Amino acid sequence: SQQGEEDPQALSIQEGENATMNCSYKTSINNLQWYRQNSGRGLVHLILIRSNEREKHSGRLRVTLDTSKKSSSLLITASRAADTASYFCATDPNDYKLSFGAGTTVTVRA
Amino acid sequence: GAGVSQSPSNKVTEKGKDVELRCDPISGHTALYWYRQSLGQGLEFLIYFQGNSAPDKSGLPSDRFSAERTGGSVSTLTIQRTQQEDSAVYLCASSFRVEQFFGPGTRLTVL
Repeated sequence: SQQGEEDPQALSIQEGENATMNCSYKTSINNLQWYRQNSGRGLVHLILIRSNEREKHSGRLRVTLDTSKKSSSLLITASRAADTASYFCATDPNDYKLSFGAGTTVTVRA
Repeated sequence: GAGVSQSPSNKVTEKGKDVELRCDPISGHTALYWYRQSLGQGLEFLIYFQGNSAPDKSGLPSDRFSAERTGGSVSTLTIQRTQQEDSAVYLCASSFRVEQFFGPGTRLTVL
């Protein structure tokens, strides 16, 4: 069963704008990961945040984690056309078996 | 190779036939995973191999599904007596630590 749920299901933004998507999960986790999937490159790992971390940055990506609310957010700043993809959060309640949400589809308009 | 490879990339089969999907993980990665992704959905965990330990098969949807990993490297996912609901993209991933590296997937279509 899927533990993570992304919100919104779809997002359309103008190039240069920021995109924010959220992930909620149900059980306690060791860490939470975000992945991106597009037709050109398949599923690619973006960033991992551990349960004892609250915020993490990687380039134009910013991830937050609130374990008390069992939620995470992914912010993409200054979006580009190449950011058009589906974004998935994945949690690992037992250290290896990732549980993915259904994803947020992001479309960046030129 | 540089990444996880899977073959075939596409497979069309008739209902009732058996299919075999292959995964070549990244060299040195001890863990290997199989997932299934139905259209517009997230990934559904199927099975996990770690070194010489017994695999975690808890995600396999029925006894028509089986997988093996030979020599701690290449893995084969077998679906017997395929059904139309088996149509999906089957993704393989490997890892050394936490981050999983995914292959391009095999798109299975059961007619």
